[in-house]
Amino acid sequence: EVQLVESGGGLVQPGRSLRLSCAASGFTFDDYAMHWVRQAPGKGLEWVSGISWNSGSIGYADSVKGRFTISRDNAKNSLYLQMNSLRAEDTALYYCAKVRVTMRSDAFDIWGQGTMVTVSS
Amino acid sequence: QLVLTQSPSASASLGASVKLTCTLSSGHSSYAIAWHQQQPEKGPRYLMKLNSDGSHSKGDGIPDRFSGSSSGAERYLTISSLQSEDEADYYCQTWGTGIRGVFGGGTKLTVL
Repeated sequence: EVQLVESGGGLVQPGRSLRLSCAASGFTFDDYAMHWVRQAPGKGLEWVSGISWNSGSIGYADSVKGRFTISRDNAKNSLYLQMNSLRAEDTALYYCAKVRVTMRSDAFDIWGQGTMVTVSS
Repeated sequence: QLVLTQSPSASASLGASVKLTCTLSSGHSSYAIAWHQQQPEKGPRYLMKLNSDGSHSKGDGIPDRFSGSSSGAERYLTISSLQSEDEADYYCQTWGTGIRGVFGGGTKLTVL
């Protein structure tokens, strides 16, 4: 079964850091680009960041550029999101998502269950 | 700038059909999109990838009641024989060139 499981969320003070992880199983992880998408309470989906299969291409939303860093470890079938200088507006449920086809950009076809990040003093 | 526009809400009666619309911004009418469903208190679920020519690739287990079509910059999701569990938020998504993602604002579907 293809599965993505996020972890690492929690309550953190403004200005602090947090690292999210996404464990992948059921597919050849290193063939696919991966993304992080977030959803603030009561709001819509917002793309956060993505990384190509070999980490050669990376993208960030303007709202997180310079503060968040995406990475992956293909040997561990894992995706990460290092979040620094957190702000209240980063409070959201963070999902990882798999791209539908290998080696290129495409639709997101598998989603994790999400991990909640709350930024508050 | 690549932008997707969706109506905030839609409604239809149980057993009827509904057509949701996602509009691509000017200059991007050839782009493919994806439709995702998010039921209350659940994570998103991939429904289908929809190309500019109307061809589409559905996710595993997606019922035949869900179909897609295209016209110019508009991408449609039609749900027929509406059921109560179809009451959900529906998002369109595209990706452009490079590593990025773009989501529409979502449409909240109410089944009456």
